[in-house]
Amino acid sequence: DAGVIQSPRHEVTEMGQEVTLRCKPISGHNSLFWYRQTMMRGLELLIYFNNNVPIDDSGMPEDRFSAKMPNASFSTLKIQPSEPRDSAVYFCASSLRTALKETQYFGPGTRLLVL
Amino acid sequence: DQQVKQNSPSLSVQEGRISILNCDYTNSMFDYFLWYKKYPAEGPTFLISISSIKDKNEDGRFTVFLNKSAKHLSLHIVPSQPGDSAVYFCAASNSGGSNYKLTFGKGTLLTVNP
Repeated sequence: DAGVIQSPRHEVTEMGQEVTLRCKPISGHNSLFWYRQTMMRGLELLIYFNNNVPIDDSGMPEDRFSAKMPNASFSTLKIQPSEPRDSAVYFCASSLRTALKETQYFGPGTRLLVL
Repeated sequence: DQQVKQNSPSLSVQEGRISILNCDYTNSMFDYFLWYKKYPAEGPTFLISISSIKDKNEDGRFTVFLNKSAKHLSLHIVPSQPGDSAVYFCAASNSGGSNYKLTFGKGTLLTVNP
């Protein structure tokens, strides 16, 4: 299995530009998560999808952030307009939900730098 | 308010010795705990977990201990190997509530010296 695939791996953009991060979860997984990692706040959950439906977006920082999951094999996280404080590593993770264990498999991350 | 705390940003140990990574939590609703390992330029990978009905879980060289009364868990690696050098994240969830939601600590960088 190829694991969770994220693209791009690195993104450098200027303030005000739109940024789109992409994720392909592991085939057969029905849960998808977007995380952001910063030095100050560590790993934070931004949004959680189950069966392509957003269940919890309480971690999305503000309206500039949006996420979609049009099908079971693809998700996007969009920032529009981007700001320097959005600079971070963004991880996508997927899992196959079970009754108790919730092992999440992470992608390699997208390192975003907003100038 | 940090609900999961890893108070040691870094730890250095000698190859063959024991590594002990610590984690404290404040939310008494947490009942499932996980450790993830992260190498540079990679995403975190699941290492080991423990349910609150247990106080110990072992998997090869890795053992996680849970002290519910102290709201403390630790990961022991014995013996430590240079390949164990990575950032280790502690995570917690409430299986009775939003069981998908993992709350992570900020991580501890472990360096195992040959």
